[in-house]
Amino acid sequence: DSGVTQTPKHLITATGQRVTLRCSPRSGDLSVYWYQQSLDQGLQFLIQYYNGEERAKGNILERFSAQQFPDLHSELNLSSLELGDSALYFCASSPGWRILSSYEQYFGPGTRLTVT
Amino acid sequence: AQKITQTQPGMFVQEKEAVTLDCTYDTSDQSYGLFWYKQPSSGEMIFLIYQGSYDEQNATEGRYSLNFQKARKSANLVISASQLGDSAMYFCAMREVNAGNMLTFGGGTRLMVKP
Repeated sequence: DSGVTQTPKHLITATGQRVTLRCSPRSGDLSVYWYQQSLDQGLQFLIQYYNGEERAKGNILERFSAQQFPDLHSELNLSSLELGDSALYFCASSPGWRILSSYEQYFGPGTRLTVT
Repeated sequence: AQKITQTQPGMFVQEKEAVTLDCTYDTSDQSYGLFWYKQPSSGEMIFLIYQGSYDEQNATEGRYSLNFQKARKSANLVISASQLGDSAMYFCAMREVNAGNMLTFGGGTRLMVKP
């Protein structure tokens, strides 16, 4: 158990809909990262928050948005869903930002999104 | 250009033998870290081993070791004494300090351990 929790574990929805994925980081971790794992794109970074502020953006679509709340949990909002958005969405957390050290990013179990 | 390249999409290894999974990387940063993660069929991402760019010795964690060749920009994972439970996808990843600490992943290698 990494200490990172994600809900829901599975989500099935229709095209055009909007969903919210939730992540709670490990206790004490200030950074939250969202990753998408799909068959055609592989594992790719979407967005990072540190202590409530957006710090880095990767290949995140404009239809997707995220935020980190004062209690440090984060939500990833996916709207106008398309079939290609079907993927495993991971949240990861780490203590800091722009620090080179031996700590790994702790991954949550993921949310499997299926768009039909 | 790909930042992380894993050239072996799939590999077989006999149980109890050692296996090397290849990973090459591309960065112009001086400060970076290299990671290996295991993803079993259940889907979770399990951290295996870390190597920092300034670490002079190769990292080891139990049956896992990382063969770090900085000049060649390679960070191969060596698994000794393979077990059936090692069958999984393995991902090499890099974190660049100047890029904000997110991980960039390779395409993965599927390892299958034969009894």
